[in-house]
Amino acid sequence: EIVLTQSPGTLSLSPGERATLSCRASQRVSGSYLAWYQQKPGQAPRLLIYSASIRATGIPDRFSGSGSGTDFTLTISRLEPGDFAVYYCQQYGSSPGTFGGGTKVQIK
Amino acid sequence: EVQLVESGGGLVQPGRSLRLSCAASGFTFDDYAMHWVRQAPGKGLEWVSGISWNSGTIDYADSVKGRFTISRDNAKNSLYLQMNSLRADDTAFYYCAKVRLAALPRGALDYWGQGTLVSVSS
Repeated sequence: EIVLTQSPGTLSLSPGERATLSCRASQRVSGSYLAWYQQKPGQAPRLLIYSASIRATGIPDRFSGSGSGTDFTLTISRLEPGDFAVYYCQQYGSSPGTFGGGTKVQIK
Repeated sequence: EVQLVESGGGLVQPGRSLRLSCAASGFTFDDYAMHWVRQAPGKGLEWVSGISWNSGTIDYADSVKGRFTISRDNAKNSLYLQMNSLRADDTAFYYCAKVRLAALPRGALDYWGQGTLVSVSS
């Protein structure tokens, strides 16, 4: 099983700032099959990025993903009020499709 | 519009069983793999199980293997999760989710239901 470690656990930033979230895998993620999700309180997760760097339908271009192998990054270029949430990475290149523990982006 | 609606959650005693359902609409259900993901209150996401479009590929997390059974009825556009021998650590919101690409057993999950809460307690 591939273990995904997300860091930092919590990120305290102000609106307009840049957020950089990390997801590190214990083994190479096959095909860069890595997704990022956003979850707000009381809501289901929302797909942001798939295949490490492709934005899902309707996702604004301030969200970008990068990386390959074992190291992946989600960047939010300029935080807007609605971006403060918890973010999860997930690998789906091999079974089981594991999730990272999440990074909470909170208002500073 | 894609909709996934879970049902069947509730309070159940340890050792008992529960069956979750997920009603799908707004897409060609029998083209897509479907998965269950759970989230204990205040905790992170945990993948539980997945089933391919034709039920030919089925996977489970080690934590539920031998106790949970995933199935689907393409004629009814429905996904199921039969949960037996429930334990306190199975307490969670259970989400059904659709794989983004047709015909693949795994993938990014592009649509999620609102979740149904399963509480296991005596």
